[in-house]
Amino acid sequence: ETGVTQTPRHLVMGMTNKKSLKCEQHLGHNAMYWYKQSAKKPLELMFVYSLEERVENNSVPSRFSPECPNSSHLFLHLHTLQPEDSALYLCASSQAVSGVTYEQYFGPGTRLTVT
Amino acid sequence: GDSVTQMEGPVTLSEEAFLTINCTYTATGYPSLFWYVQYPGEGLQLLLKATKADDKGSNKGFEATYRKETTSFHLEKGSVQVSDSAVYFCALISGGGADGLTFGKGTHLIIQP
Repeated sequence: ETGVTQTPRHLVMGMTNKKSLKCEQHLGHNAMYWYKQSAKKPLELMFVYSLEERVENNSVPSRFSPECPNSSHLFLHLHTLQPEDSALYLCASSQAVSGVTYEQYFGPGTRLTVT
Repeated sequence: GDSVTQMEGPVTLSEEAFLTINCTYTATGYPSLFWYVQYPGEGLQLLLKATKADDKGSNKGFEATYRKETTSFHLEKGSVQVSDSAVYFCALISGGGADGLTFGKGTHLIIQP
């Protein structure tokens, strides 16, 4: 595997289900990100992890719970979602060095539908 | 806060036409600027970037120049192909380290043969 991978690619879940999205990066980066892409809205940053510590939570509802067990893996645990949470969830990774900007590399995304 | 404004489209052009997609930004500090492209059913791919004023990013025939005086980063290509049909996102990062990207709404480009 190369780059950033995400599983599953498609997920349909009911409002009472619990599911998890998985992201893995094979680039040796030390920062990982979750973004949400909804129809007709700009891409929104959800969470940022740097060196496995959460450094940003962009006012995301608690029904979304991130986990970063190591620098290569990132999860997004989902529970009691709402239909408006249906979207494409994108994972990204980058190098992170204070004061230096590196480009972020994205995975293919998980298309989530909440019924 | 930071923001990015770009034309939303769809923008429809004929093959071999000249392309310009406008992008302007507001940001605190001195941002780095990016163009990403998203093909149908895929994630975002980095197209090009620029990190300081007057830098020109280029890739696959696309170019964009960081214009600090006009806070712009317009994307151009001299001769588009059908395979360039995609959604193009302008984005910025204000700080370094593990900062998130601020995106524009995306421009849907359709190239007709």
